[in-house]
Amino acid sequence: AQSVAQPEDQVNVAEGNPLTVKCTYSVSGNPYLFWYVQYPNRGLQFLLKYITGDNLVKGSYGFEAEFNKSQTSFHLKKPSALVSDSALYFCAVRPRYGGATNKLIFGTGTLLAVQP
Amino acid sequence: DTEVTQTPKHLVMGMTNKKSLKCEQHMGHRAMYWYKQKAKKPPELMFVYSYEKLSINESVPSRFSPECPNSSLLNLHLHALQPEDSALYLCASSQERLGVSYNEQFFGPGTRLTVL
Repeated sequence: AQSVAQPEDQVNVAEGNPLTVKCTYSVSGNPYLFWYVQYPNRGLQFLLKYITGDNLVKGSYGFEAEFNKSQTSFHLKKPSALVSDSALYFCAVRPRYGGATNKLIFGTGTLLAVQP
Repeated sequence: DTEVTQTPKHLVMGMTNKKSLKCEQHMGHRAMYWYKQKAKKPPELMFVYSYEKLSINESVPSRFSPECPNSSLLNLHLHALQPEDSALYLCASSQERLGVSYNEQFFGPGTRLTVL
């Protein structure tokens, strides 16, 4: 079965420190990879995506993500965390081929808490 | 305009009521989606419309009835809901091109539904 794993329910980091939110996937055929963020009582906001090419993808609000094909991972990173980055982060994967290409497969989400 | 709007923001309904949720986008996107999200969980796909035609129904109970009157509007008609249907209902849209599945989805802020 196709799945996306976010192994940490919560990540705590001090403001100014680097942050990493982990994501691994089990989806065949070189899928497309996405990160979304959700602030309280809001919809999801798109942060960045990997389609092809450079393994380091830059996105909104200073976030970037590193694609590792051999480890089937797509970890979200930021060099210096802000308190305002505190939110729920979802990794999502979309199959490249097949009948399910309209469907996003979401990870379980990671709550990021940045302490002042 | 890069926004997906949803009305109402909040809805409280009894189990015998009939109500509708509305979603609108003016980005020219031809794929539109309904998701259901419980607190701190990932969104669960309910329906996908592609070029105003229903393309995916994730075995959603018939008490939820989607409608896509035109390329900008998506409705979700609700009838005889159960308390366990209480959730945040999210609408999303994305560009649709044949053979292309890497376009990100844009989410609305959601409708918070409470079924009494």
